[in-house]
Amino acid sequence: GDSVTQMEGPVTLSEEAFLTINCTYTATGYPSLFWYVQYPGEGLQLLLKATKADDKGSNKGFEATYRKETTSFHLEKGSVQVSDSAVYFCALRGNNNNDMRFGAGTRLTVKP
Amino acid sequence: KAGVTQTPRYLIKTRGQQVTLSCSPISGHRSVSWYQQTPGQGLQFLFEYFSETQRNKGNFPGRFSGRQFSNSRSEMNVSTLELGDSALYLCASSLAGEYQETQYFGPGTRLLVL
Repeated sequence: GDSVTQMEGPVTLSEEAFLTINCTYTATGYPSLFWYVQYPGEGLQLLLKATKADDKGSNKGFEATYRKETTSFHLEKGSVQVSDSAVYFCALRGNNNNDMRFGAGTRLTVKP
Repeated sequence: KAGVTQTPRYLIKTRGQQVTLSCSPISGHRSVSWYQQTPGQGLQFLFEYFSETQRNKGNFPGRFSGRQFSNSRSEMNVSTLELGDSALYLCASSLAGEYQETQYFGPGTRLLVL
């Protein structure tokens, strides 16, 4: 079945460092891909998404490109801030079913 | 536009009891999905409702059930609670549940089973 594998954490960075969180997927057909962020004590918030190959999702300085040839959707940010500390989830939703599949989540801590 | 709301936010129950959680989707959204989040298993899909019909179901025992009302509000019920049911239960809504759509999540209900 469809699945998502993302880089295990935790990840600790200094403020203004470059961030990459790797995400690869397995799916039949052409899924939509998402990155969600979860702050302590809260639900998930959509960070960005891409619905077809070569699409680039971006929001708040974060970017991810849907790469069908490498089945990847890596999350990047050029300069992280303390406020980016959270858990990040990569997810997919296949075009042949209706449930969202999530990666295990990557906890990011940014130190001043 | 108001976001997804879930009630109650916190709940403590004992083994063997049952519990009902409620979710109100974003206005106009007709698809509601439920997820269980635990440290060990991560985020797992429970079920999805669309227009009062269960459209998809995850791999959970029959003790977990749900329903959706005509106003798209949804409830999930867990009967005969077990310690392992302690988790954060998240509800998410989208317009029609199509695969390209964004699911918007509520803050969750944290259930503790003693």
